[in-house]
Amino acid sequence: DAGVTQTPRHEVAEKGQTIILKCEPVSGHNDLFWYRQTKIQGLELLSYFRSKSLMEDGGAFKDRFKAEMLNSSFSTLKIQPTEPKDSAVYLCASSFGGALAETLYFGSGTRLTVL
Amino acid sequence: GDQVEQSPSALSLHEGTGSALRCNFTTTMRAVQWFRKNSRGSLINLFYLASGTKENGRLKSAFDSKERYSTLHIRDAQLEDSGTYFCAAEADSNYQLIWGSGTKLIIKP
Repeated sequence: DAGVTQTPRHEVAEKGQTIILKCEPVSGHNDLFWYRQTKIQGLELLSYFRSKSLMEDGGAFKDRFKAEMLNSSFSTLKIQPTEPKDSAVYLCASSFGGALAETLYFGSGTRLTVL
Repeated sequence: GDQVEQSPSALSLHEGTGSALRCNFTTTMRAVQWFRKNSRGSLINLFYLASGTKENGRLKSAFDSKERYSTLHIRDAQLEDSGTYFCAAEADSNYQLIWGSGTKLIIKP
């Protein structure tokens, strides 16, 4: 059974580059989330889609972060241009829907290092 | 197999009472985090522990790496504590999070 798939597992970028992270949610799930995990801030919400529509776009991240969901089985997170402070683990999660009721299924994350 | 087992999957408490959530690990973890999912779907970081215990208001968390478990205690539960709680552990060999399946907590008047 396929869970949430994230690629790549690791990404190294130079400052100023454009990187694209990918996520395939669990088949049939309606909600998709992008989070960033750091030791300083913990887990921070970047974007939230419901049925492919953007429901929440983290205010602090709007400037250089753009998440898209072109179809129900695939989402991307673009960071442009990258900065060293973007180094973190980026997690994608999906659920059937219903913010309070549903369990989130997380991917294994992409570890981004920006030099 | 699953490396993080979270229990219970659902819990119902009356206001003013308390209980504990637990996560058992099948391998050594270097740290654990506890989260509550808010009404917008965002995960709010409650605790981050590499060892020992931490307390914040009516919440208290403990982590024992050697015994491979972590707990989240809630006392004097309030209606606004309702929600889904998750533990997530960092494995010893890397920093990626391994998530529990969540506990749906309902607080009744």
